[in-house]
Amino acid sequence: AQKVTQAQTEISVVEKEDVTLDCVYETRDTTYYLFWYKQPPSGELVFLIRRNSFDEQNEISGRYSWNFQKSTSSFNFTITASQVVDSAVYFCALSEAFRGNEKLTFGTGTRLTIIP
Amino acid sequence: KAGVTQTPRYLIKTRGQQVTLSCSPISGHRSVSWYQQTPGQGLQFLFEYFSETQRNKGNFPGRFSGRQFSNSRSEMNVSTLELGDSALYLCASRQVGPSSYEQYFGPGTRLTVT
Repeated sequence: AQKVTQAQTEISVVEKEDVTLDCVYETRDTTYYLFWYKQPPSGELVFLIRRNSFDEQNEISGRYSWNFQKSTSSFNFTITASQVVDSAVYFCALSEAFRGNEKLTFGTGTRLTIIP
Repeated sequence: KAGVTQTPRYLIKTRGQQVTLSCSPISGHRSVSWYQQTPGQGLQFLFEYFSETQRNKGNFPGRFSGRQFSNSRSEMNVSTLELGDSALYLCASRQVGPSSYEQYFGPGTRLTVT
């Protein structure tokens, strides 16, 4: 069975600080996808990144970066120089896509508050 | 391209009633999935439809059902509503191909059962 754990329920940082959101996953499959989504107060889940299990390269997109480590089953997300607009709930998710099963298993989310 | 649209955005129903929610996927996306989000259970997968066929189903009772039309639009239905069905229902669409693609979510329908 798949499982995604986001141990940090809530995080508050002062604007311009860096912040890392942790994600640990469990799966028996060797082939899978990992995702991060952002949910602002409006409720819509906004796609941020998808990473497949064969690609352990870290990725940077502007102020966002992701660190994927299969050895520790972690897929952490760092926001550099945080801004108030980054305040949202962030979800990490896992799918066993190569079985044709596109079901996303989500973590419980981390509520990030950026204090001006 | 227009994003995923869901109607209605808000809905209030009474216990025992039934409800139908609608989802229009992004143009060209043939797969539609539904998720339920509650404070207690978080985000949970309901089902996925592709080419008018249900491909996968989550652990929800038979009161929850769905369908997909030939234009890929999807509806989900909940019969005999219970208080615990109050939730944000999110629809997601994605492309289907040899690889896997990310799911794009709509704004959700917030259902309140009284």
